[in-house]
Parts: sequence; C-alpha cells; structure tokens
Amino acid sequence: EAGVAQSPRYKIIEKRQSVAFWCNPISGHATLYWYQQILGQGPKLLIQFQNNGVVDDSQLPKDRFSAERLKGVDSTLKIQPAKLEDSAVYLCASSLDVRAGGDTEAFFGQGTRLTVV
Amino acid sequence: GENVEQHPSTLSVQEGDSAVIKCTYSDSASNYFPWYKQELGKRPQLIIDIRSNVGEKKDQRIAVTLNKTAKHFSLHITETQPEDSAVYFCAASRDPATDSWGKLQFGAGTQVVVTP
Repeated sequence: EAGVAQSPRYKIIEKRQSVAFWCNPISGHATLYWYQQILGQGPKLLIQFQNNGVVDDSQLPKDRFSAERLKGVDSTLKIQPAKLEDSAVYLCASSLDVRAGGDTEAFFGQGTRLTVV
Repeated sequence: GENVEQHPSTLSVQEGDSAVIKCTYSDSASNYFPWYKQELGKRPQLIIDIRSNVGEKKDQRIAVTLNKTAKHFSLHITETQPEDSAVYFCAASRDPATDSWGKLQFGAGTQVVVTP
C-alpha cells in the first residue's frame, strides 16, 4: 500500500521566516498526527486530527505554529515566524480511526528536516 | 501527563548476542505500548507492540515484556544481526476508545549498534 507522503524532504530557512510542510496520509486513515523530532530525542506530538477536527494540540506552540486538515485528508503544518530551536524533523503519521477499535498502528512518513539558521 | 523514560541511550552488542532496552512510564492508565525502529534517515516503523492484558509477546527474534505493577516494559532482541542497528523508541498511550485519543508519548530512544 502507498505510505504517508510528506514534502519537502529538506528545508533551510532563516530565523523569522515562514515555512509550510505538507502531508498526505494513507488513504482511508481518519487519524493524522504531526510530530516534532529534535535530534537525539523521541518524537513529540504537536497536533492530532480526527478527520478534519483537532483532538489534541496541547503541545503545539500556537503563537507560531498552525496546522489544518481541510476535507479530512491532506494536512499542512506552518511555522511563522521560525526560531532557531524549531530546527528538527517534522514527522507526519496516520492511522485508522483510533476510536474504531482494533489496530491503531501509526504509520510514519519520511519526515521533513528543517534547519533554521 | 504521561512520562516515558528509556534506557540505555546507547547500546553496543556483538553480533549474535542479545540486546535489552528498558522503558518506564508514569501514567497507570496507559495500556498500549508499541516499539518503533528508526534506521538512519528513515521513518520510524512499528516492530512490535503489547497491550496491558498480556505480559509478554514474541515475534521471531524480538520480544516485549510488560510489568504493569512496576510500570515498566522491555524490548528483547536475540541473536542480533548488523541490520538490527538502528534507534529504537518505546512509547505508551491510553486506550483511545476512552480518552486522550490514543496520544503516544515516546521515550528518548536507544541507539543500538551491532558489530560483526
């Protein structure tokens, strides 16, 4: 089956600039996640969508980060303005409806490596 | 909220030996514990998971054990091979059917190096 697609793979921007990442989840997956993975650390959940609604954004720095999932399929994550500490890999993942029971495995995309200079 | 601690941060083993990675969690309501393997520059991939209604699960050379009383779980890799070299992450979450929408809290990761 096709996996989770993300673009771009790499991005270098200067601090205070804006950047956007795109994610296309596995077809039919209702749940979509954005994770931030700083070098040497485990992934940290930024935001979780169930279809096109946000169900958890408790760790999203809302003063600079925003995300949307229009039509409950593709999603974009935006940072505006970027800071040096935002340098990380941004991973998108998707799973079947986590509340439908059964398999709730999260499938990850390749990630976008962001470097803020 | 949930806090997951993972040890060791790095682990070097000789090919053929066993590797053990341990994680502890803080939320007694957590009941789903997956393990992910992430090779250099690649995406994390699920290798095995366990739910709180079982104490051990095995899949070929990998096994996971869970001690709910002590709130810790471990990954065991036997007969290690060079292709087992990667970063391994443990994670924990509550039942998504109840609350928290199955939010996964990850450990910091263990870099495993298998030397021939």
